[in-house]
Amino acid sequence: EAQVTQNPRYLITVTGKKLTVTCSQNMNHEYMSWYRQDPGLGLRQIYYSMNVEVTDKGDVPEGYKVSRKEKRNFPLILESPSPNQTSLYFCASSRIQGGSYEQYFGPGTRLTVT
Amino acid sequence: SQQGEEDPQALSIQEGENATMNCSYKTSINNLQWYRQNSGRGLVHLILIRSNEREKHSGRLRVTLDTSKKSSSLLITASRAADTASYFCATDPNTGNQFYFGTGTSLTVIP
Repeated sequence: EAQVTQNPRYLITVTGKKLTVTCSQNMNHEYMSWYRQDPGLGLRQIYYSMNVEVTDKGDVPEGYKVSRKEKRNFPLILESPSPNQTSLYFCASSRIQGGSYEQYFGPGTRLTVT
Repeated sequence: SQQGEEDPQALSIQEGENATMNCSYKTSINNLQWYRQNSGRGLVHLILIRSNEREKHSGRLRVTLDTSKKSSSLLITASRAADTASYFCATDPNTGNQFYFGTGTSLTVIP
């Protein structure tokens, strides 16, 4: 089954404790992206990757890191989480075909930073 | 921010009625897409319309795009209770590979 998986689905952590949210897709998609969703703000793009070893900042990259060492994986790293990073996070992937990006989304990771 | 905006923020209709929601954006785009999100879950792609298209249909969905007004509309005909969800538009500006999502319209279809 074609899918994007994220782990963990729920995470409660404390300020400053490094964490990684994993994302994996089995569709051989070139494009992968991370978003955060906050009430009233919709989805905002954190980072995206056009292919292996190619990553770029989105709209809200501060406080986050990513890496793309393999085509299927795109982990999101919070080196020193803060309470303002409490949010619902989504990973997404897409083929790059003719300039269109129909994104497939993971189920989301709900992160709480206390 | 180049984020788009949906209008209305919330919409409540009776089953069988049509639902129309609108999206406005700020910059020139390659494509505009609509996604649906059931409460707290991942988004599901509904339809994509390219910047050189004016109208597109998919089942009960009809999307229009007016690039001169930087706006799009999504029409869901003969709505069903299962259509209850939040709907988001997303644009990818022709200046890069980023995506910008709107703030969403929450649709409630009453059986």
